[in-house]
Amino acid sequence: KNQVEQSPQSLIILEGKNCTLQCNYTVSPFSNLRWYKQDTGRGPVSLTIMTFSENTKSNGRYTATLDADTKQSSLHITASQLSDSASYICVVSWGGGSQGNLIFGKGTKLSVKP
Amino acid sequence: ETGVTQTPRHLVMGMTNKKSLKCEQHLGHNAMYWYKQSAKKPLELMFVYNFKEQTENNSVPSRFSPECPNSSHLFLHLHTLQPEDSALYLCASSRQLGGAGGNEQFFGPGTRLTVL
Repeated sequence: KNQVEQSPQSLIILEGKNCTLQCNYTVSPFSNLRWYKQDTGRGPVSLTIMTFSENTKSNGRYTATLDADTKQSSLHITASQLSDSASYICVVSWGGGSQGNLIFGKGTKLSVKP
Repeated sequence: ETGVTQTPRHLVMGMTNKKSLKCEQHLGHNAMYWYKQSAKKPLELMFVYNFKEQTENNSVPSRFSPECPNSSHLFLHLHTLQPEDSALYLCASSRQLGGAGGNEQFFGPGTRLTVL
């Protein structure tokens, strides 16, 4: 069964600290993995996309990694800011080219405190 | 802003009411989607449209009725809803169907629906 599991469910950190969010998937055949950020009261916004051949990709203070062998991805946030408080959703695309072939994780809710 | 707008942003309705949610995308995309987001659950795909033709109905109850008059507009008509239908309803669009090839879905801000 195609699944995406994220951990932790929620996380509280102090401003300026680093943190790492995890995403494990059992999706096959794998196409790509995307991390979304969803602010409260807003829709998800894409942070980064990882394809099978990519191990690491950065977007500012956000760095995503992908291990296609173990089917794990992580999102590392460096020097956190209050504006990083949001839910982070891992989404895996499977198969090829058909509609609705996205598997969503439940998300990790991150709270950054001053 | 993502280029996808939704109205209203908040909606409270009784179980006997009829209301509609509206979504508009200004990105020139061909595919549009309705999702339901409930607390502590993954996003649930409801409907998919491609070039204004419905391509997927993910076993959604008939009290939810979608309409796509053109590639830029998507509606979700609601009638005789249940309290468990209370959720955030998100609209999204993408250049083409699915997630392959890096095809990105752009989401609207959502409509927070409360059914009393």
